[in-house]
Amino acid sequence: SQQGEEDPQALSIQEGENATMNCSYKTSINNLQWYRQNSGRGLVHLILIRSNEREKHSGRLRVTLDTSKKSSSLLITASRAADTASYFCATDAWGGGGSQGNLIFGKGTKLSVKP
Amino acid sequence: DAEITQSPRHKITETGRQVTLACHQTWNHNNMFWYRQDLGHGLRLIHYSYGVHDTNKGEVSDGYSVSRSNTEDLPLTLESAASSQTSVYFCASSEPIPGTSAGTGELFFGEGSRLTVL
Repeated sequence: SQQGEEDPQALSIQEGENATMNCSYKTSINNLQWYRQNSGRGLVHLILIRSNEREKHSGRLRVTLDTSKKSSSLLITASRAADTASYFCATDAWGGGGSQGNLIFGKGTKLSVKP
Repeated sequence: DAEITQSPRHKITETGRQVTLACHQTWNHNNMFWYRQDLGHGLRLIHYSYGVHDTNKGEVSDGYSVSRSNTEDLPLTLESAASSQTSVYFCASSEPIPGTSAGTGELFFGEGSRLTVL
């Protein structure tokens, strides 16, 4: 069953605007990751945030994690046409430590950035 | 540079035939995964392996098998292909997050294998 669910399913913005995508999940996690997929390509890792972290930045990306609400958000600032892609959140299958999990992916948000 | 490669990239087969999708990684990662991606379902885990001779079933393992005889390869076999197995298949590899025994680290994905079962 899906662990993470992204919202919205699709997002269309103009170049220069910010894009915000949300992810909700159901069970305890070790970490949450965001991936990007260009059409017809494999997924590429963007950022990993651990369960004890609340915010993380990487270039124009900002990720927040609220474990009390079981949710995360990905913000892309000053978007570019090249940011057009699908974005997925992924969570470990179980939390609590001691063992490696495997990642369970949401269905993704399709972002379109218009020039 | 280290990489993960999948072959074939595209395959068309007939119902009932056996199909094997290859996955080869040069990252020297212990963990390897197979996912399928379908419209409306996102990525779903088929099988995974944490090391040589280790294999585990994922969410949608029925009709699929894997074997891990070395670190680099995790071939995915469809014993008797069905039309429901028409999909894009992704292989990935990873290592645990450094400094911790808990949690899956960054996944490195292949470019995918598009399989059509007629």
